[in-house]
Amino acid sequence: EPEVTQTPSHQVTQMGQEVILRCVPISNHLYFYWYRQILGQKVEFLVSFYNNEISEKSEIFDDQFSVERPDGSNFTLKIRSTKLEDSAMYFCASSLAVNTEAFFGQGTRLTVV
Amino acid sequence: KQEVTQIPAALSVPEGENLVLNCSFTDSAIYNLQWFRQDPGKGLTSLLLIQSSQREQTSGRLNASLDKSSGRSTLYIAASQPGDSATYLCAVRPSDSWGKFQFGAGTQVVVTP
Repeated sequence: EPEVTQTPSHQVTQMGQEVILRCVPISNHLYFYWYRQILGQKVEFLVSFYNNEISEKSEIFDDQFSVERPDGSNFTLKIRSTKLEDSAMYFCASSLAVNTEAFFGQGTRLTVV
Repeated sequence: KQEVTQIPAALSVPEGENLVLNCSFTDSAIYNLQWFRQDPGKGLTSLLLIQSSQREQTSGRLNASLDKSSGRSTLYIAASQPGDSATYLCAVRPSDSWGKFQFGAGTQVVVTP
């Protein structure tokens, strides 16, 4: 069964360092998303992406964040200068269309020390 | 602003009992509502998607209902098993913001043998 794959599963980084979280969405999907979940809190929206551009972003998604689809299979989230409060589980998701089921990856646990 | 609430926050039942999980949302302008399962420290597994025009959706032992006008969805899990122990999340997709799922905080379910 097709699935969304995220790497790495866990990343520890020092405050101020850049991190890139990687995702391989389901191959025929056209809509891509990043969400995050701080420990003990709700899953929250970061950004949606369609047709090689950002469709919508939340107030969390400031200039420190960027997304890219560098080729036909990968979708990345970059945090330029990590802060302690960026520590969270980051989820990538994809869907075929805006009104179809969204499939989430297993997440990357980011720990900023 | 869309608010999604899940009650109860936690639920413990003996094996074999039926589970009833509730989700309420404040804005009825939605594309659809999706139910997910989350195991501790893991990703989100999609269970059911119910479109705004539907009243009900079924998959195996799972049945989800949607009453859009009153802003409520219920997930029923028949004949619960210990393997059903997990946190169950509902998420609504607003019709004016297709990428921005709004998640509830979840219901943590424990099924005791």
